[in-house]
Amino acid sequence: DSGVTQTPKHLITATGQRVTLRCSPRSGDLSVYWYQQSLDQGLQFLIQYYNGEERAKGNILERFSAQQFPDLHSELNLSSLELGDSALYFCASSVEGGADEQYFGPGTRLTVT
Amino acid sequence: AQSVAQPEDQVNVAEGNPLTVKCTYSVSGNPYLFWYVQYPNRGLQFLLKYITGDNLVKGSYGFEAEFNKSQTSFHLKKPSALVSDSALYFCAAGGTSYGKLTFGQGTILTVHP
Repeated sequence: DSGVTQTPKHLITATGQRVTLRCSPRSGDLSVYWYQQSLDQGLQFLIQYYNGEERAKGNILERFSAQQFPDLHSELNLSSLELGDSALYFCASSVEGGADEQYFGPGTRLTVT
Repeated sequence: AQSVAQPEDQVNVAEGNPLTVKCTYSVSGNPYLFWYVQYPNRGLQFLLKYITGDNLVKGSYGFEAEFNKSQTSFHLKKPSALVSDSALYFCAAGGTSYGKLTFGQGTILTVHP
């Protein structure tokens, strides 16, 4: 158990809908990262937050947004969902960033029908 | 742009034999390099990392990795494989102060009894 929690574990929704994925980092970690894992794209970095502020952005679509709250939990919002958004979404946390190892949550499996 | 390549989609070894999972990277500046393992329906687990110093890095579960700057490689090794090592292995590189990781496509390791 990495200490990173993600809810929900599974999510099934229809195209055009909006969903929110939630992540609680390990105690003491200030950085939260979001990754998308799919068969065709592999594991892709989406976005990083550090202590409430956006720190780095990767291949995140404009339909997706995230935030980190004062208690350091984070939410990833996915809107206008398309079939291609079906994937495993992982949250990870680390103490700060840079060379710190990241600890991954169990993931949320999103299925868009 | 950063990139990580894992040239083998699959590696098969017999239990008790040494194993190697290959990784090459392209990062400007000094890289941070990581190995993670993913078991079915689980998040990624941190195995080891290289930041600087000794080119041979030791990690969890008897794994080690050798950093080779001239060949831009960071191969994962284990002297004696176990059936329980069978999993999906990811190499990742970071090169900034922020913590964004670029992952390879992953290598499926199968250890046969």
